[in-house]
Amino acid sequence: GQNIDQPTEMTATEGAIVQINCTYQTSGFNGLFWYQQHAGEAPTFLSYNVLDGLEEKGRFSSFLSRSKGYSYLLLKELQMKDSASYLCAAVTGTASKLTFGTGTRLQVTL
Amino acid sequence: GAVVSQHPSRVICKSGTSVKIECRSLDFQATTMFWYRQFPKKSLMLMATSNEGSKATYEQGVEKDKFLINHASLTLSTLTVTSAHPEDSSFYICSARDPTSGSGYEQYFGPGTRLTVT
Repeated sequence: GQNIDQPTEMTATEGAIVQINCTYQTSGFNGLFWYQQHAGEAPTFLSYNVLDGLEEKGRFSSFLSRSKGYSYLLLKELQMKDSASYLCAAVTGTASKLTFGTGTRLQVTL
Repeated sequence: GAVVSQHPSRVICKSGTSVKIECRSLDFQATTMFWYRQFPKKSLMLMATSNEGSKATYEQGVEKDKFLINHASLTLSTLTVTSAHPEDSSFYICSARDPTSGSGYEQYFGPGTRLTVT
């Protein structure tokens, strides 16, 4: 089966850096997405990694290690508006479905 | 960027009635759409994959006779919750895949529908 794990909750201070980890065990892996979701809203795309390494996009960066089944999302210069849930999702199977992790609720404090 | 709309955003219905939720890709053609369910403070659970012009593929444990999915065109998929019960109350989110965009795997999400069954 598919298994994707993330920490349930994290807290960080405004202006700081936070790293949200995601480990996965899946079949037919075709890459990993990170989405941001504010309460009651739809998830919005942050990043996609298919090759090993770090992808940087402004304040957000995402890393993937396929051999270790591991990814992380790095958020720099945290702002209050970054308080949200962060979902990692693996592209799996022949139908290329997204299998979502449990989601990490990030609270940014002053 | 690709936009997906969902209607209605909120609906309250009585037990035993049916509710239809529409999902539309507004500026791209989506051969594949997905329906998810999300419980409070939980992640998204895939219910079914909807392919234009063919029957939907349901995930294990999802009742296909209860959650009817129709993907009649490249821009519209509908989910009908039949004979709704209070336990069907949830946040339903659709997504559409744009095969011409980026990786080709990316899904664009609708704003969701909050269903409350009384």
